[in-house]
Amino acid sequence: EVQLLESGGGLVQPGGSLRLSCAASGFTFSSYAMTWVRQAPGKGLEWVSIISGSGGSTFYADSVKGRFTISRDSSKNTLYLQMSSLRVEDTALYYCAKGIAEVAPGSRILDYWGQGILVTVSS
Amino acid sequence: DIVMTQSPDSLAVSLGERATINCKSSQSVLSSSNNKNHLTWYQQKPGQPPKLLIYWASTRESGVPDRFSGSGSGTDFTLTISSLQAEDVAVYYCHQHYTFPLTFGQGTKVEIK
Repeated sequence: EVQLLESGGGLVQPGGSLRLSCAASGFTFSSYAMTWVRQAPGKGLEWVSIISGSGGSTFYADSVKGRFTISRDSSKNTLYLQMSSLRVEDTALYYCAKGIAEVAPGSRILDYWGQGILVTVSS
Repeated sequence: DIVMTQSPDSLAVSLGERATINCKSSQSVLSSSNNKNHLTWYQQKPGQPPKLLIYWASTRESGVPDRFSGSGSGTDFTLTISSLQAEDVAVYYCHQHYTFPLTFGQGTKVEIK
């Protein structure tokens, strides 16, 4: 059974940093692209970032480019999102999600999602 | 960026009746390389993460009831719930994965009339 468990969220001041983790199990982690999607309170979904199975290819939303870094550790079956220079508008529930296929473009279709982890940026 | 626009923002449908949600992309999401529309539909129930319903615009994910169907091509897409059930109350999102940055529609809230 595929499971994705996010952790590392919390309250941080504007300008601060935070690292989110997503522990994956139930599938061959290194074979699948992984994605972060966020949802501000009461709002819709916003795609944040994606990383290929090998970790060699990454893409970001313009709103986080240069501030967030996606990475993965296949030895730990864990996905990360390093967030820096955080802004109030980064406040959201952050989901990690798995691609349905091993290669693009199917890897961008998200078939399993974690329950999400809340990040609150406030002074 | 490709802008995804859903309509309506919300709709109320009687149990057993049809619900139709539209999604329009600002550019075509039909790929010439694989002849597929890179358009996905997700369902999000309150307090839950999104769930994959339909991908490649019309392929139903395993386990999704056949009352859910997707259609359309290019820039115009539709999600249809043929006979609304109480458990279908949710927000539905379309999503293009044709080009970066990937983008979602604003969501359509479906309620029972």
